[in-house]
Amino acid sequence: DAGITQSPRHKVTETGTPVTLRCHQTENHRYMYWYRQDPGHGLRLIHYSYGVKDTDKGEVSDGYSVSRSKTEDFLLTLESATSSQTSVYFCAISEGQTSGNTIYFGEGSWLTVV
Amino acid sequence: GENVEQHPSTLSVQEGDSAVIKCTYSDSASNYFPWYKQELGKRPQLIIDIRSNVGEKKDQRIAVTLNKTAKHFSLHITETQPEDSAVYFCAAYRSASKIIFGSGTRLSIRP
Repeated sequence: DAGITQSPRHKVTETGTPVTLRCHQTENHRYMYWYRQDPGHGLRLIHYSYGVKDTDKGEVSDGYSVSRSKTEDFLLTLESATSSQTSVYFCAISEGQTSGNTIYFGEGSWLTVV
Repeated sequence: GENVEQHPSTLSVQEGDSAVIKCTYSDSASNYFPWYKQELGKRPQLIIDIRSNVGEKKDQRIAVTLNKTAKHFSLHITETQPEDSAVYFCAAYRSASKIIFGSGTRLSIRP
């Protein structure tokens, strides 16, 4: 398995509180991604990063922000959590075309907003 | 915008029979097509992939075929076993910033 660690793995939080999920990789891969997975929607991209301090939005970025201050860490922040953000969040990494495009996923973070 | 349609959404087959899942993509510039298997409560894991310059790839009981003209690719699992029960996702990749996933197929293997 690719060296990807997500934390926390499980979290219950209250509506309106800020939440930060962390993704840490040991592979020195250039690209990092945050996806959310919900029944009937598959995997939807929230934000991605293509280098330190280089990030861009995905298809469901509203209500989320990200930061990447080091190659190995990619943080996802919910500034004010809502019940619609209850989901499973997966971090993923890729070296891009230089290594054949393969995307590896972390183990997931289960977030419940009550 | 670009999308990937995956069918069927659920599939039930008898143990030992074959299973086929099909994906259709819209972006003709897509050049890499991975398939992921996700067991309940686990992460998606890559099981096989194919690049646009290849028409078919096989790995033991799993194979993937690609038809670039029709813009579709399929996952074939032969001699299905109980451990094949999972959700399978296809994806079409144009670049590291343009990866579109299908909505998934829940495969159940009947004993």
